Amino acid sequence: GAGVSQTPSNKVTEKGKYVELRCDPISGHTALYWYRQSLGQGPEFLIYFQGTGAADDSGLPNDRFFAVRPEGSVSTLKIQRTERGDSAVYLCASSLINNEQFFGPGTRLTVL
Amino acid sequence: AQSVTQLGSHVSVSEGALVLLRCNYSSSVPPYLFWYVQYPNQGLQLLLKYTTGATLVKGINGFEAEFKKSETSFHLTKPSAHMSDAAEYFCAVKPTSGSRLTFGEGTQLTVNP
Repeated sequence: GAGVSQTPSNKVTEKGKYVELRCDPISGHTALYWYRQSLGQGPEFLIYFQGTGAADDSGLPNDRFFAVRPEGSVSTLKIQRTERGDSAVYLCASSLINNEQFFGPGTRLTVL
Repeated sequence: AQSVTQLGSHVSVSEGALVLLRCNYSSSVPPYLFWYVQYPNQGLQLLLKYTTGATLVKGINGFEAEFKKSETSFHLTKPSAHMSDAAEYFCAVKPTSGSRLTFGEGTQLTVNP
């Protein structure tokens, strides 16, 4: 079956611009996670959705970052007023409740 | 708060040699433990996990890991390296009652012919 998909695979933007990153989880997975992986680092947790609601958003670095999952399936990570330090690979994962997290290939964001 | 330390950001072995990737964790209570592998331009793939029960866990591609509570360690091993094992490996922990994964910084494994 289809795995987790993320679009776009690459995004280049200019400092100060707004970007949206999309995640399509595995069908039927109620849990969805966003992580950020900076160069040479392990992934860092950003936010976790259970259904439509954010169950844990304590990993979001500041209020420029926001994520939604309005229908409990697709999720969008939104970044306002991008900064060069936001450049990273943004990973999405989905799972059944308390089960293995399956990761997508990531979106590589470059802020010039 | 939980944390994960992977000793050695780069490990190089010869094909056919033993692979040993080290992972130590810090947690007030023993967490669930995971090893993931990441190939270039691909997502993370679960190699193996420890939740409860037998402390020696076998995973895919011939890898195994042993949970040692007294040493707070979960080192990854494979008896004989293949060229196809070259990748980046991440150790991760998750609270038994939580959902977020906390990752180490990763170990890049190179396999030399």
